[in-house]
Amino acid sequence: DTAVSQTPKYLVTQMGNDKSIKCEQNLGHDTMYWYKQDSKKFLKIMFSYNNKELIINETVPNRFSPKSPDKAHLNLHINSLELGDSAVYFCASKTVQETQYFGPGTRLLVL
Amino acid sequence: QQQVKQSPQSLIVQKGGISIINCAYENTAFDYFPWYQQFPGKGPALLIAIRPDVSEKKEGRFTISFNKSAKQFSLHIMDSQPGDSATYFCAASLFLRNTGKLIFGQGTTLQVKP
Repeated sequence: DTAVSQTPKYLVTQMGNDKSIKCEQNLGHDTMYWYKQDSKKFLKIMFSYNNKELIINETVPNRFSPKSPDKAHLNLHINSLELGDSAVYFCASKTVQETQYFGPGTRLLVL
Repeated sequence: QQQVKQSPQSLIVQKGGISIINCAYENTAFDYFPWYQQFPGKGPALLIAIRPDVSEKKEGRFTISFNKSAKQFSLHIMDSQPGDSATYFCAASLFLRNTGKLIFGQGTTLQVKP
C-alpha cells in the first residue's frame, strides 16, 4: 500500500551512461514532482507535472528529461551522466491542500 | 527573493528539552509554510504546516510560530525525545498557477541525547 514508490532504490553507474528512474503514486494526485537532494542534504525542485503537463522546469541541464505517461507515473531520464549528478532523487505528489508526499528516494552514484 | 533561510544547521538537545528551529523568507507572496522531517535513508515527511493567516499552530509536541511582519517562522519541539533525532526542513510555497512548488530551507540536523 506504498503511496509514492520509486525504482530503483540504488543506482551505481559509470560517467557517460544513460539511466532512468521511475516513480509511481497510488494516491490519485494530479501533480507530481522531482527533487534533487545533494550531499549537503539541500533539497531543490527540478520538475513538476500536472495531469501529464509539464508545469515546472527549473534550471536543469538538458540531459535531464522527465516523462509522464499518465498522471500516476513520472519518470526521469538522465543522459550522459556526470559525476555531479550523484545525489538522491526524490519523487513527490501533491494533494489539493498542498501537502506533498515524498517517495523513498533513489540514490544515484556516478563513478 | 525565492530563498528560505534556516538556522541553526545543527542542534543538540537533551531529552525533555525544547528544540527550536528558525526560518526566514523574503517573498511575501508565499502562502503555505510546511515543516518536513527526514530520517536517514528515508524521504521527507510532512510534520506540520501553517498558512499566513494564523500566528501559531500546534500538533502534539510540535508547534509552528509564524510572524508575518518579520517574515519569520519557527518550529518548536516540546519534550524532545531521542526518536525526534532527524533532519528538519522548513519550506515555503508560492501558490502560482497551482504549481505547489516548495522552496526548502537548508535543513537542521537535530540530535536529542538520552
